[in-house]
Amino acid sequence: AQSVTQLGSHVSVSEGALVLLRCNYSSSVPPYLFWYVQYPNQGLQLLLKYTSAATLVKGINGFEAEFKKSETSFHLTKPSAHMRDAAEYFCAVSFYRTSYGKLTFGQGTILTVHP
Amino acid sequence: ETGVTQSPTHLIKTRGQQVTLRCSSQSGHNTVSWYQQALGQGPQFIFQYYREEENGRGNFPPRFSGLQFPNYSSELNVNALELDDSALYLCASRMENTEAFFGQGTRLTVV
Repeated sequence: AQSVTQLGSHVSVSEGALVLLRCNYSSSVPPYLFWYVQYPNQGLQLLLKYTSAATLVKGINGFEAEFKKSETSFHLTKPSAHMRDAAEYFCAVSFYRTSYGKLTFGQGTILTVHP
Repeated sequence: ETGVTQSPTHLIKTRGQQVTLRCSSQSGHNTVSWYQQALGQGPQFIFQYYREEENGRGNFPPRFSGLQFPNYSSELNVNALELDDSALYLCASRMENTEAFFGQGTRLTVV
C-alpha cells in the first residue's frame, strides 16, 4: 500500500531563510508526487508535481522539489522564505495506473515564517 | 481560482441527520473526487466518480454516498451523521491522468 510521511508537523524559519519541508513515500510502483499548500479556511492549491519526467521540479511561488528514488523522498525547498509562505503544506502520492488516481496525503507541515 | 466551486461553505447539522454537499467541477473535467479533512489531519480519500460512475472508494462506510451528473457536477451525501463526521469536505476535479484541482471546501459541523 502506498503511504506518505512528512517529517515535522511544524517548521519555523526566519524571513529570508531556506525553507525545507520533508516528504518520504513508500510504494511498489513508480509514483506521481505532488505538493499542495493550504491557507487557513481554504482548499488546496497545487504547488508542483512530479510525473516521471525531470527529477528536479519547479513550481509556483519559487518552490521546487527533487525526486530521489534511492531515498524515496520528495522534499520541498525554497531558497528564501517570505511572510506570505506561512501556511500548511501537504505532500501527496498517486498511482494513476493502479489506483485510479486517488491522492494519498501526508499529515501536513505547518510552516511559520517570522520576521 | 481553480474553477471548482463548492456549496455551502459552512453547515451545522445535528447528529443523526442527513446532509448533501455540492460541487461544480472545472470546465472540461470528467473526474471528481471527494476528500474528508479532519482538524489537524491530511485529507482522506472518500470516493471518485468518472463519467457518472463510481470508480474508486476509500475506507468510508456506505452511509457516505455520491452522485455525478451529466454536466460533471457532483454531490456527496452523508446519512445518519455522527459527531466524528465534523470536518472540511473537499471536492477535486481533473481530466484523466492530470493533476487534481480543489475547491474551497465545505466546513461541516455535527452537534
